[in-house]
Amino acid sequence: QQQVKQSPQSLIVQKGGISIINCAYENTAFDYFPWYQQFPGKGPALLIAIRPDVSEKKEGRFTISFNKSAKQFSLHIMDSQPGDSATYFCAASRAYGGSQGNLIFGKGTKLSVKP
Amino acid sequence: DTEVTQTPKHLVMGMTNKKSLKCEQHMGHRAMYWYKQKAKKPPELMFVYSYEKLSINESVPSRFSPECPNSSLLNLHLHALQPEDSALYLCASSLPGTGGMGQYFGPGTRLTVT
Repeated sequence: QQQVKQSPQSLIVQKGGISIINCAYENTAFDYFPWYQQFPGKGPALLIAIRPDVSEKKEGRFTISFNKSAKQFSLHIMDSQPGDSATYFCAASRAYGGSQGNLIFGKGTKLSVKP
Repeated sequence: DTEVTQTPKHLVMGMTNKKSLKCEQHMGHRAMYWYKQKAKKPPELMFVYSYEKLSINESVPSRFSPECPNSSLLNLHLHALQPEDSALYLCASSLPGTGGMGQYFGPGTRLTVT
């Protein structure tokens, strides 16, 4: 019930293409879904996040699509650039769960954008 | 300012050493976290402090000892570590009571135990 399943494990995209990473969760109590971007040797950086009251959120080239009934959400990176090459982690939690609402991470996707 | 700072960036220690990792934030966050991250794995939660009190200890061995001296600082004291404890140690902070929402991570301390 606490798992977040992320796919694919790795992804290679040409510069200018669209990168798509998918996540699925089981716990219906989750109501906060962030994506983190991590470069080698650095800490994860909060990229974009969504609550289940909306089906899509866009920030620049990054879009989260959320399907509450299917318990799935995805990250779309438009016009992918070599600088986007990093590991991306989806996560889920309860937004106001206090000490119980900790982040449950997916296993990560290593994205490589080829020039 | 959404910065969490951590020192040192790198640490090499023997199994009999005692060392400490430090974390600082000035975002007014009253929840602070320690995570451990092994290569090619997601971060694993170790400890959570809320209002300077330890609220979660995820069954971490006693050779790791957290401390929260005030609302801006978080320490992780290390003693008698094992080689398998080598990892990236991440600090994070957020508003209290917000669960996972808006957690900001520091750059991490790369720890090598020899």
